[in-house]
Amino acid sequence: DGGITQSPKYLFRKEGQNVTLSCEQNLNHDAMYWYRQDPGQGLRLIYYSQIVNDFQKGDIAEGYSVSREKKESFPLTVTSAQKNPTAFYLCASSGVAVAKNIQYFGAGTRLSVL
Amino acid sequence: QQQVKQSPQSLIVQKGGISIINCAYENTAFDYFPWYQQFPGKGPALLIAIRPDVSEKKEGRFTISFNKSAKQFSLHIMDSQPGDSATYFCAAKSNIQGAQKLVFGQGTRLTINP
Repeated sequence: DGGITQSPKYLFRKEGQNVTLSCEQNLNHDAMYWYRQDPGQGLRLIYYSQIVNDFQKGDIAEGYSVSREKKESFPLTVTSAQKNPTAFYLCASSGVAVAKNIQYFGAGTRLSVL
Repeated sequence: QQQVKQSPQSLIVQKGGISIINCAYENTAFDYFPWYQQFPGKGPALLIAIRPDVSEKKEGRFTISFNKSAKQFSLHIMDSQPGDSATYFCAAKSNIQGAQKLVFGQGTRLTINP
């Protein structure tokens, strides 16, 4: 099945801890994205990557880091510098050509603070 | 200028009725306007989308109306069904230096009463 797989589905973070959220896609998409979703605020862009070994900050990048070592994978690390990490995190991917730029989303990871 | 404003925040419609969700934007550089449907605990899924050179697009019971001069677009769900109960997000895409970025509205929680 083609799609985007996010893991884990639920994640708990202790104070001062870094945690990493996994995102893998087998759609052969060049571009990948990370969004944060909070109630009543829609989706806000954290980071995005258009090509392997390159990524750009989105609107709320502070306290987060990413890597893009493989086309299929775009992990997100929520660092201890992110003081309010509790949210639903969504990964998406798309083609980069204008005709193929629909973003497809994974099922999300819900992160909570212990 | 990058904002997309969505209303209402929540909407209750009787089965068989018409559900209408509205969005407004400021940035005339947006070139693609998708609507996403999200069920609880799931990632958003593309429902229908329109380009700014088209005033209306219909797919089954779902219609987007687009008013370029007013910078507004809306989603109409005809013959609304309980299975349509979900959160709906409008979005607008910009193309900045080759990066396809989506800006999302705040979301509308739609409830269809049987």
